[in-house]
Amino acid sequence: SQKIEQNSEALNIQEGKTATLTCNYTNYSPAYLQWYRQDPGRGPVFLLLIRENEKEKRKERLKVTFDTTLKQSLFHITASQPADSATYLCALLTGGFKTIFGAGTRLFVKA
Amino acid sequence: EAQVTQNPRYLITVTGKKLTVTCSQNMNHEYMSWYRQDPGLGLRQIYYSMNVEVTDKGDVPEGYKVSRKEKRNFPLILESPSPNQTSLYFCASSLVGDRGDSSYGYTFGSGTRLTVV
Repeated sequence: SQKIEQNSEALNIQEGKTATLTCNYTNYSPAYLQWYRQDPGRGPVFLLLIRENEKEKRKERLKVTFDTTLKQSLFHITASQPADSATYLCALLTGGFKTIFGAGTRLFVKA
Repeated sequence: EAQVTQNPRYLITVTGKKLTVTCSQNMNHEYMSWYRQDPGLGLRQIYYSMNVEVTDKGDVPEGYKVSRKEKRNFPLILESPSPNQTSLYFCASSLVGDRGDSSYGYTFGSGTRLTVV
């Protein structure tokens, strides 16, 4: 069956370190992949999109990689800050408007 | 301010009593969609619309209806709510990409927390 997996356990890191979150998928051939941030009780906020023919995308302290052979995307936050604490969601877009979201990984950045 | 507005934010209702959750966007987006979010399951797509009068089912459409009579509005209708529809609901919108796909990020509303007793 088709599946998207994100680390269900929370990720705890120290301020200033790099946070790395993983998104694995099976049985999809996504056209592109998106990452969102979600704070408690709020709607997700779009962060980055990476296409199937792109290996890496950067935006300020954020970096996303996309390996279609491994069927994996990695999301990095460098020089992390307590304000980065949130749940991060990955979403696969398989073409058209079919969008599949992962359950999200909770990130805690300690000062 | 560019935004997606959902109403109400919170709703408690009884089984079988029809309700409508409204969604409106002011960005002239062609695409709109409804999701429900349940613990451990992530966001699941209920229905989506690519433009006025064009709607299609997502992964979990049973028990829901939608309509898209105007570009800016996309209401979610529960004709006969049941307790298993207790959830956090999000509306989202997006531009349609040059290739007729959703290659832009979605803008989400603030959510509607629905409880059916």
